[in-house]
Amino acid sequence: TQLLEQSPQFLSIQEGENLTVYCNSSSVFSSLQWYRQEPGEGPVLLVTVVTGGEVKKLKRLTFQFGDARKDSSLHITAAQPGDTGLYLCAGAGTSGGTSYGKLTFGQGTILTVHP
Amino acid sequence: KAGVTQTPRYLIKTRGQQVTLSCSPISGHRSVSWYQQTPGQGLQFLFEYFSETQRNKGNFPGRFSGRQFSNSRSEMNVSTLELGDSALYLCASRPGPKGAGGTEAFFGQGTRLTVV
Repeated sequence: TQLLEQSPQFLSIQEGENLTVYCNSSSVFSSLQWYRQEPGEGPVLLVTVVTGGEVKKLKRLTFQFGDARKDSSLHITAAQPGDTGLYLCAGAGTSGGTSYGKLTFGQGTILTVHP
Repeated sequence: KAGVTQTPRYLIKTRGQQVTLSCSPISGHRSVSWYQQTPGQGLQFLFEYFSETQRNKGNFPGRFSGRQFSNSRSEMNVSTLELGDSALYLCASRPGPKGAGGTEAFFGQGTRLTVV
């Protein structure tokens, strides 16, 4: 069974601060996605990382996939109140291609950015 | 391009009843997955359908079932509802099964099911 440990579970910071969310596993994933979810809505895809060591930037958000494709991080620079939400990492399986559709989710990080 | 559409958005059912939820994927997407989201367990995979065939199944009891139609629309059914089935049920749409890029899932807004 593949598991993803996401930390921290809760993060409460002031506007302008930097933060990092971690996603770790003992399993290898074919790719890893990061989602953001607002209350009462479905998760919205932010980024997909595929190659070990890959770094992707989305404005103030930086995503990194570990060299061994077992872990990932999300770094937000100069957080803003609009960044508030639930951040989820999700890994896609590797076995023979048939498990691509099964995403294993971390428990999520609830981020609150205070003005 | 329209997104993933789930109906209904909200549902209240009584213990012992059954319920059917519907999901229309993004046009052209052939894979539909279902997830259950609860505060305690987070997002958990239920099952995935591609070309009307179930390709993957999560660790849920047989009361949870699904199907996919030839137009890729999918339904999931929960029979003999229990209080613990109260959750947000999310449907995710993907283009297809192949390639790592094909792992990107696009979610609907979900159906909030409350069992009383």
